[in-house]
Amino acid sequence: KNEVEQSPQNLTAQEGEFITINCSYSVGISALHWLQQHPGGGIVSLFMLSSGKKKHGRLIATINIQEKHSSLHITASHPRDSAVYICAVRSNYGGSQGNLIFGKGTKLSVKP
Amino acid sequence: EAGVTQSPTHLIKTRGQQATLRCSPISGHTSVYWYQQALGLGLQFLLWYDEGEERNRGNFPPRFSGRQFPNYSSELNVNALELEDSALYLCASSPTHREFTNTEAFFGQGTRLTVV
Repeated sequence: KNEVEQSPQNLTAQEGEFITINCSYSVGISALHWLQQHPGGGIVSLFMLSSGKKKHGRLIATINIQEKHSSLHITASHPRDSAVYICAVRSNYGGSQGNLIFGKGTKLSVKP
Repeated sequence: EAGVTQSPTHLIKTRGQQATLRCSPISGHTSVYWYQQALGLGLQFLLWYDEGEERNRGNFPPRFSGRQFPNYSSELNVNALELEDSALYLCASSPTHREFTNTEAFFGQGTRLTVV
């Protein structure tokens, strides 16, 4: 079982729809990252969370530490949001200090 | 301010050769991380350098190695290339100190390595 699970794997939405991507993890963490990867491969960090909720423009990220779960929401989705969204956790146990553990990503396609 | 820069953007090598990938972190960042993203797979942690020292490495064979220079830039070397080493290699940097930190990581655009 992967330490970081994302759902769904693939998501197709119509422009304007509200989108939710989920991430569950099984290890102790000090922070959770939401990343965006465009087809060229480069990765942009969207959010880093250790508790609560963060908002940036149309993007909202929440985390529930007790339930080991995070969600990324996109309001009023747009075709330019089409990308792979990756959840990554920074674990806090000794053997993995310093590295991120990644989910397999959610491929989002927003149709006009 | 320049972000994390990686070179080259694309690299084609023959099986058995060596590949060298380079990464320059954001100014002021002392930690550099290397990740491999093979086709169809998620990102896998390779190596973490901080202040010139290797701090941690992922589950990869010893032919994956690297170093960090005094200016905090880093090289990833892959020896005896195999076909399955074909992947996107991403570098990230973060500001850090000796203790574990949970600051944001900034990624480069990656080097796409193709082994033929």
